[in-house]
Amino acid sequence: EAQVTQNPRYLITVTGKKLTVTCSQNMNHEYMSWYRQDPGLGLRQIYYSMNVEVTDKGDVPEGYKVSRKEKRNFPLILESPSPNQTSLYFCASSLSFGQLDAYEQYFGPGTRLTVT
Amino acid sequence: KNQVEQSPQSLIILEGKNCTLQCNYTVSPFSNLRWYKQDTGRGPVSLTIMTFSENTKSNGRYTATLDADTKQSSLHITASQLSDSASYICVVSALSPGTYKYIFGTGTRLKVLA
Repeated sequence: EAQVTQNPRYLITVTGKKLTVTCSQNMNHEYMSWYRQDPGLGLRQIYYSMNVEVTDKGDVPEGYKVSRKEKRNFPLILESPSPNQTSLYFCASSLSFGQLDAYEQYFGPGTRLTVT
Repeated sequence: KNQVEQSPQSLIILEGKNCTLQCNYTVSPFSNLRWYKQDTGRGPVSLTIMTFSENTKSNGRYTATLDADTKQSSLHITASQLSDSASYICVVSALSPGTYKYIFGTGTRLKVLA
């Protein structure tokens, strides 16, 4: 089954304790992205990756890191989590990011993170 | 500044009725526009995708329109069902050299009542 998986689905942690949220897709997609969703603000892009070893900042990258060492995986790293990073996080992937062709973007099930 | 604005913020309708959701955007350079349906706590699911050359796109009871000149889009839901209760999100792609971003609206929360 074609899908985007995220782990963990729920996480409660304390301020300053490094954590990683994993994201994996089995569709051989080039484009992968991380978003956070907060009430009243909608989804905001954190980082995206056009392909292996190619990553770039979205609109809210502060406090986050990513890596793309393999095509299928795109982990999100919080080196020193703070309470303002409490949010619902989504990973997504698409075949590519074209101008004339609009590629379907598939979302993972989400990771609900609470930082106390 | 790239922005996507949706209206109304929330909407309540009776089962079987039609409704139309609006999306205005100021994204440049425009690449394409998408409508997603998101159930509470779950990932968004794509309904339609339109490039700048497309005026309308249908997916079952969902029909999206796009006016690239006025930078407006609408999503029309026909004969609503209880399962249509969800948030509907308009997303515009911004594509320029070295930049490949998605700009999301804050969504319209639709509630369909029996």
